[in-house]
Amino acid sequence: DQQVKQNSPSLSVQEGRISILNCDYTNSMFDYFLWYKKYPAEGPTFLISISSIKDKNEDGRFTVFLNKSAKHLSLHIVPSQPGDSAVYFCAASAKEKDDKIIFGKGTRLHILP
Amino acid sequence: DAGVIQSPRHEVTEMGQEVTLRCKPISGHNSLFWYRQTMMRGLELLIYFNNNVPIDDSGMPEDRFSAKMPNASFSTLKIQPSEPRDSAVYFCASSFHSSYNEQFFGPGTRLTVL
Repeated sequence: DQQVKQNSPSLSVQEGRISILNCDYTNSMFDYFLWYKKYPAEGPTFLISISSIKDKNEDGRFTVFLNKSAKHLSLHIVPSQPGDSAVYFCAASAKEKDDKIIFGKGTRLHILP
Repeated sequence: DAGVIQSPRHEVTEMGQEVTLRCKPISGHNSLFWYRQTMMRGLELLIYFNNNVPIDDSGMPEDRFSAKMPNASFSTLKIQPSEPRDSAVYFCASSFHSSYNEQFFGPGTRLTVL
């Protein structure tokens, strides 16, 4: 059973607009959440993270929002740029327990010119 | 630092053959992770090591899969015998064992078993 779910396999957004990628999780033990970005033929690279004690973390154009009661997080990219076209993986960890990170299946983001 | 190094980048082999994938983690990192990426299952954790000791191998799919970490700078993932359903991209990642440190991924090995 998937503990981290990304229900949208792909998303297309116009350049300059906001991209919103969504993620749901089922394990209430998760206390740390991450987003990774992956280009073709490369490994995933860390983008941004959020601890469960926060509900928002911002880094430049990227903001992650966490709604613990709904077990939902989202990644906002604004404004979207052509270089943002990639696969985005949502991931979660129970850091108090171990170092394992559970990944979602990813969402492919296409930024349209 | 060169980052996490994986070899080979591509491997094509025939069913029944032994396959060995290699990983050199980032110097100073003491946790190492092996993942497999497929279209159907996404990015799955196979096994991870902390200070060269296997901590959790619950993601290893079958006894045909084995992993070793003989020292802090080298790990192998072996599949013997390989099957067509093992075709996937295999990633190695490393991190410094501490709270809230992200993992750094290698470029992956694309394995095709014919």
